[in-house]
Amino acid sequence: GAGVSQSPSNKVTEKGKDVELRCDPISGHTALYWYRQSLGQGLEFLIYFQGNSAPDKSGLPSDRFSAERTGGSVSTLTIQRTQQEDSAVYLCASSLSGTTPYEQYFGPGTRLTVT
Amino acid sequence: GDSVTQMEGPVTLSEEAFLTINCTYTATGYPSLFWYVQYPGEGLQLLLKATKADDKGSNKGFEATYRKETTSFHLEKGSVQVSDSAVYFCALPPNAGGTSYGKLTFGQGTILTVHP
Repeated sequence: GAGVSQSPSNKVTEKGKDVELRCDPISGHTALYWYRQSLGQGLEFLIYFQGNSAPDKSGLPSDRFSAERTGGSVSTLTIQRTQQEDSAVYLCASSLSGTTPYEQYFGPGTRLTVT
Repeated sequence: GDSVTQMEGPVTLSEEAFLTINCTYTATGYPSLFWYVQYPGEGLQLLLKATKADDKGSNKGFEATYRKETTSFHLEKGSVQVSDSAVYFCALPPNAGGTSYGKLTFGQGTILTVHP
């Protein structure tokens, strides 16, 4: 079946612009996660959705970052007024549920470059 | 808080060599433990897991044993291949024994390069 998909695969933007990153989880997966992968910081958790609510937003680095999930499916991560330090690969993952340690399935990521 | 520590990398081996990548963790209780692998140009994928103490996870010739006495989950393979070249991440979920697993906490990743 279809895995987790993310779009765009690459995004180059100018400093100060807003960007939206999209994640389509595996159908039927109630839990969705956003992570960020960068050279200096490794893999960092950003936010976790169970259904449409976000019980854990502790990893969002600043109020320029926000995310939403609608219909228990698609999620968008929005970065406002992008900065160069936002350059990274943004990974989305989904799992059957966030309340048990089910395997998380990862998408291919969106590589964001802020110039 | 929960944390995962992996051995410093990168690791460079010749084909058929023995591989060990160390992973130790700090967590409350006895969490499940995972190894994820990221092949060049691809997304993260689960390599193996163990859900309780003394469990051994195995896949594609890789093994890891959950040792609660040493809070470790070292990854091993007896004979590596060029195709094993990838980045390997040890990971654990939070709040072991709690009701919310949510995010995974990852180690810093170990880059493995295998030469023919």
